[in-house]
Amino acid sequence: NAGVTQTPKFQVLKTGQSMTLQCAQDMNHNSMYWYRQDPGMGLRLIYYSASEGTTDKGEVPNGYNVSRLNKREFSLRLESAAPSQTSVYFCASSADRRANYGYTFGSGTRLTVV
Amino acid sequence: AQSVTQLGSHVSVSEGALVLLRCNYSSSVPPYLFWYVQYPNQGLQLLLKYTTGATLVKGINGFEAEFKKSETSFHLTKPSAHMSDAAEYFCAVSDYFGNEKLTFGTGTRLTIIP
Repeated sequence: NAGVTQTPKFQVLKTGQSMTLQCAQDMNHNSMYWYRQDPGMGLRLIYYSASEGTTDKGEVPNGYNVSRLNKREFSLRLESAAPSQTSVYFCASSADRRANYGYTFGSGTRLTVV
Repeated sequence: AQSVTQLGSHVSVSEGALVLLRCNYSSSVPPYLFWYVQYPNQGLQLLLKYTTGATLVKGINGFEAEFKKSETSFHLTKPSAHMSDAAEYFCAVSDYFGNEKLTFGTGTRLTIIP
C-alpha cells in the first residue's frame, strides 16, 4: 500500500544510548517532516525537509539530528537519548512545500527512554 | 506566527447527537486550515481542509467545517455521532503564502456515549 512507513514501531532505550528512526515514503513527495506527540501538547515539529537535499529546524530540534538520504527517505537520529525524549514520533510527507496539499502520516514510533 | 487553540481537551456526546469540536486560529495572513483525526495507535488522517473558495467544506465520514474569518474559527461538526467517531481530533493551520509547516492544536479527544 502506498504511504509513509516508519520503523521501528516500538523501542525502549537506556539513557545515553543512540538510535535512528527510519521513515520512507513511496508517493514521490518532495517534503518530509518529523513530529513528536506528547499528551496535552499536540504535535510539535522537530525537523523538516522541504525538498531533497535540504533540512531545517522546527520548534523542538534540540537533541535530534536528521538526514534526507534521498527523495524517499528521511531519518531522525537521537545521539544520546534522555527521558525527556520519551514520546511518540510521527513522520509525514507532502507533495509540495505548500501546505495546501495536506500531509500523509506514518503510523508512528513509540519510544521510551529509561 | 500562526497558532491554533482547540477549546476542550475532552468532549463527550451521546450516539446520534450533534458533534461540535471548536478550533480558533491566529494568523497574520490568509490561512489554510485542516482537521485531522487520529484513531488509537494510528497516525493522523486528513478529515478535511480549507484553502480558498467555499467556506463550508465537507470531509470524510460525514464531517464538515466552516471557515469564519470574522470569528477566526474553523469548528468541526457532524449532525449525528456514531460510535466509530471516537478518536482524537486535531486542528491545524498554515499560511496562504506557502509556509511549508503546519502548526497543530493540542487536540480534542471525542468520546461517544452509547
